[in-house]
Amino acid sequence: DTGVSQDPRHKITKRGQNVTFRCDPISEHNRLYWYRQTLGQGPEFLTYFQNEAQLEKSRLLSDRFSAERPKGSFSTLEIQRTEQGDSAMYLCASSLRGGDTEAFFGQGTRLTVV
Amino acid sequence: DQQVKQNSPSLSVQEGRISILNCDYTNSMFDYFLWYKKYPAEGPTFLISISSIKDKNEDGRFTVFLNKSAKHLSLHIVPSQPGDSAVYFCAASMVSPGGKLIFGQGTELSVKP
Repeated sequence: DTGVSQDPRHKITKRGQNVTFRCDPISEHNRLYWYRQTLGQGPEFLTYFQNEAQLEKSRLLSDRFSAERPKGSFSTLEIQRTEQGDSAMYLCASSLRGGDTEAFFGQGTRLTVV
Repeated sequence: DQQVKQNSPSLSVQEGRISILNCDYTNSMFDYFLWYKKYPAEGPTFLISISSIKDKNEDGRFTVFLNKSAKHLSLHIVPSQPGDSAVYFCAASMVSPGGKLIFGQGTELSVKP
């Protein structure tokens, strides 16, 4: 499977705990995006990496959120001190800069904060 | 500020008929528009896109129309099939098809046999 891979698929955590999600993009893709989707809404942009550089962060990304892409390959998204409002589907997408092709999405990580 | 809007949360059509999904946008800087299809518990899957320099793009049963003056685009599915039942998201990018996307709220299409 050479698509975008996300792990875990589902995560249930207690309020106040930290969680970390992983995204493995398509191997030759140098752009990586994180989006968040809540019920009844479309995906909302969180942050964007080009190779290992984080080039843009949404104001939705509070200081409890941090994302990394240390070697320009996989990426992690960490949420500290989770709140019930963080419950959502977290989606990762990747694309090729300079290519005239669309972004490919992973299957997402469903986070439930109880 | 919702820059991309899909005003119909749901649409129901009969198998074999045409499905028309609509999308409006406010930002004239958008250069590319895309439609993604999403099944429950899965990530969005790319369907079709259109550049702002075109007014129509066709791929099999799927056609996207762009009216720049009205800041409106639509996705036509002909003929509709039960397997087309999913949530359809309109998205826009200022950079390229693979750039940062601004999504609409989605329209849930139900195609009945």
